[in-house]
This record gives sequence, structure tokens and C-alpha cells, in this order.
Amino acid sequence: NAGVMQNPRHLVRRRGQEARLRCSPMKGHSHVYWYRQLPEEGLKFMVYLQKENIIDESGMPKERFSAEFPKEGPSILRIQQVVRGDSAAYFCASSPRLADGTGELFFGEGSRLTVL
Amino acid sequence: SQQGEEDPQALSIQEGENATMNCSYKTSINNLQWYRQNSGRGLVHLILIRSNEREKHSGRLRVTLDTSKKSSSLLITASRAADTASYFCAATGANSKLTFGKGITLSVRP
Repeated sequence: NAGVMQNPRHLVRRRGQEARLRCSPMKGHSHVYWYRQLPEEGLKFMVYLQKENIIDESGMPKERFSAEFPKEGPSILRIQQVVRGDSAAYFCASSPRLADGTGELFFGEGSRLTVL
Repeated sequence: SQQGEEDPQALSIQEGENATMNCSYKTSINNLQWYRQNSGRGLVHLILIRSNEREKHSGRLRVTLDTSKKSSSLLITASRAADTASYFCAATGANSKLTFGKGITLSVRP
């Protein structure tokens, strides 16, 4: 059973370009979370998705950022018109979501975005 | 928010010593989890303690939870150089969102 797969692991973009980060959750997991981590800092929650639904996007910047988790295929975090401040490591995590709402998250290795 | 806040921010100990890390949170939680992150890698789940539990063990790990003080501690006994990593606590609220603290950098000197 493969773990959470993120790609690309490293992505370099110039200011104004678009960045697309992909996340395939663990088999059987229907819940996906995206977090952003800046150097020497903790993880900042961005968005929580289930298949075809955005459950909580309270951590997403209002502009340029969007996320989806379609019925088929990976979850996508899309950043339009990137700026230098978007440079960070973006982590995806999945969960099977137990009935009582608890459960550990399984993290991918992250996608490191560098904006030149 | 249920943000976890860890302390100390950094901890340096000798191999064989115990390492104690603390975490505080702000509102009621369903559970509290501890994760580990090696440099440049993703987070790995260590242990989960539910809100109705007070103490839990897993190998060399011992975690406690005091809901009256809204705090938790993670104890690593007989530390090893391989325990060198960043450690994060994460509080799970009713909305199932995990909110992480900034982490504790643990260095274990051989």
C-alpha cells in the first residue's frame, strides 16, 4: 500500500507563472488536507477536502489559490500568478476519517516550490 | 483556534537522557496528536491521545494530557541520536481540522 504521493517534489517557477501541485492520497482515504510550511516554521493549515467537496478552506488565501479533489484522480493545489512569498514547502496529508472524527494524518514528502 | 503551541522551541540533550516537550492549546479538543519531522521530509505520526485519556505509552514515548490545563507533554526516554528531529503537536477540534504548533527542534548529541 503506497503512502501519500506528492509531485512534483521540487518546482521552480518565475513570478507570474502558475504552479500545480498534485497529491494522491493513500488507498482507501477519502479526506485530504493541504498545509504550507515556511522555513523554521510550523505547518499552516490551508484546506480540507473530501471527494468533490471542499470542507474547510479557511486557511486558503482569498486570491490566486484554489484546491480540488475530483471524483477520479489526485487532489490538486493550484497557485496562479505566483509571487516570491509563495515559496514554501506544501504538504498534503490524507486520512480515512474514523466515525468519531478522530484519526491520524498520513503525510506526503512535500512539494517544494521556489519562485524566482 | 485550537492551535498547539510547543515549548521549548529547541532542546539539546545527550544521548541516553530523557527529552520532555510540552504543548498547550486553546479550546476544547477531540484528541491531541504528536508528529515528528526529519529535515526535508514529511511528518510522521507518533502517537494520539483522546480527550478522555490522561496518559498513553508507545515504546519509548509517553504522552500525557491535562484537559483542565489544556496542555500535553511528550516524553522520549533513553534518547538516541536518531531521535534528532522536529516534533509537533496537533490539536483536533470538532471540525476534524488539525492545527499544528511551530514545533520543537530536538538535538540528541551522541
